[in-house]
Amino acid sequence: EPEVTQTPSHQVTQMGQEVILRCVPISNHLYFYWYRQILGQKVEFLVSFYNNEISEKSEIFDDQFSVERPDGSNFTLKIRSTKLEDSAMYFCASSASQVGSFEQYFGPGTRLTVT
Amino acid sequence: GNSVTQMEGPVTLSEEAFLTINCTYTATGYPSLFWYVQYPGEGLQLLLKATKADDKGSNKGFEATYRKETTSFHLEKGSVQVSDSAVYFCALGHGANTDKLIFGTGTRLQVFP
Repeated sequence: EPEVTQTPSHQVTQMGQEVILRCVPISNHLYFYWYRQILGQKVEFLVSFYNNEISEKSEIFDDQFSVERPDGSNFTLKIRSTKLEDSAMYFCASSASQVGSFEQYFGPGTRLTVT
Repeated sequence: GNSVTQMEGPVTLSEEAFLTINCTYTATGYPSLFWYVQYPGEGLQLLLKATKADDKGSNKGFEATYRKETTSFHLEKGSVQVSDSAVYFCALGHGANTDKLIFGTGTRLQVFP
């Protein structure tokens, strides 16, 4: 069964460093998402991406964040200068369609720890 | 704004017990409602969904009914198994101008033999 994959599973970085989280969405999907979950808190939407551009972003997704689909398979989230409060589990998701059932398929997540 | 509230966990049950995990929502209009499950070490998996009032979503013995009058979407299972131990997330998708999902905090279920 097709699945969304994410690498790495755990990333430890120092405050101020840049990190890139990688995702491989399901191959025929067109809509891509990043969510995050700070420990003990809700899963929060960060950004959606379609047709090589951001279609929606939350207030969390400030200038420190960027997303890219550098080739036909990867979808990345970059944090330019990490802060302690960026420590969270980051989930990538993809969907074949925006309308209707909203069936978003999620990856296993990358746990980011900023020290 | 739109939001989802879930009961606090963990929920601890013996095998074959009845499960209810409460979920209520706040939204304008007519959202779609979802339950996602996360097994240890895995991603969020869609468990079931309902797209309009009075719809019942069901999968793997789990059920949830979209109740607009009580703005609820409680998850139920008649007889849980040890393999059901996981974290369960209630979520709302509002359609219209957005496809983002709004999640609850998740409820951890632990089932013991």
